Amino acid sequence: EPEVTQTPSHQVTQMGQEVILRCVPISNHLYFYWYRQILGQKVEFLVSFYNNEISEKSEIFDDQFSVERPDGSNFTLKIRSTKLEDSAMYFCAQRGRDTSNYGYTFGSGTRLTVV
Amino acid sequence: SQQGEEDPQALSIQEGENATMNCSYKTSINNLQWYRQNSGRGLVHLILIRSNEREKHSGRLRVTLDTSKKSSSLLITASRAADTASYFCATDDSSYKLIFGSGTRLLVRP
Repeated sequence: EPEVTQTPSHQVTQMGQEVILRCVPISNHLYFYWYRQILGQKVEFLVSFYNNEISEKSEIFDDQFSVERPDGSNFTLKIRSTKLEDSAMYFCAQRGRDTSNYGYTFGSGTRLTVV
Repeated sequence: SQQGEEDPQALSIQEGENATMNCSYKTSINNLQWYRQNSGRGLVHLILIRSNEREKHSGRLRVTLDTSKKSSSLLITASRAADTASYFCATDDSSYKLIFGSGTRLLVRP
């Protein structure tokens, strides 16, 4: 079963610091996503990425957030100046070509703690 | 924006019993998916039902979809302690993203 790998699994950072969360996607999947889940709450859509461009972003995804595929394989989420409320689990996800029959594949997540 | 909302928020049952979780959503969908999340872990895809399907089975899972009522249900039969987890429905529409419900926390007591 192909996997989406995320690193680090847990990151603690000082408020105001920049963090980069990394995702190693499954090859030949087309759509990439970042979701977040604040502890005990629902999973929220942040951004979708297709053909090396952002295709859609949510209200949460403000100017402090950015995504890129710096080397054509890894997929990163950067938070420029972290706030306490950015503490959450961040999930990378992918979707393949056959969207009628297969769900999305999620990574195991990065737990971000901002102190 | 559309949302999947689930009930109950929490469900506690005895091992061997069936567990039923419900999900409602607001707008048109291409498909509806159910995911499982163990505490503090990632999301695991369980089953997908297309908008033109009414019922689907996978092992001990049975999913129904009623597009006229914009609702779905997930039934887990003969539950086991290992089924203890949170279960989320998520809708997939033409905007090519999943929107998740608030989830049901299932506790299966041995």
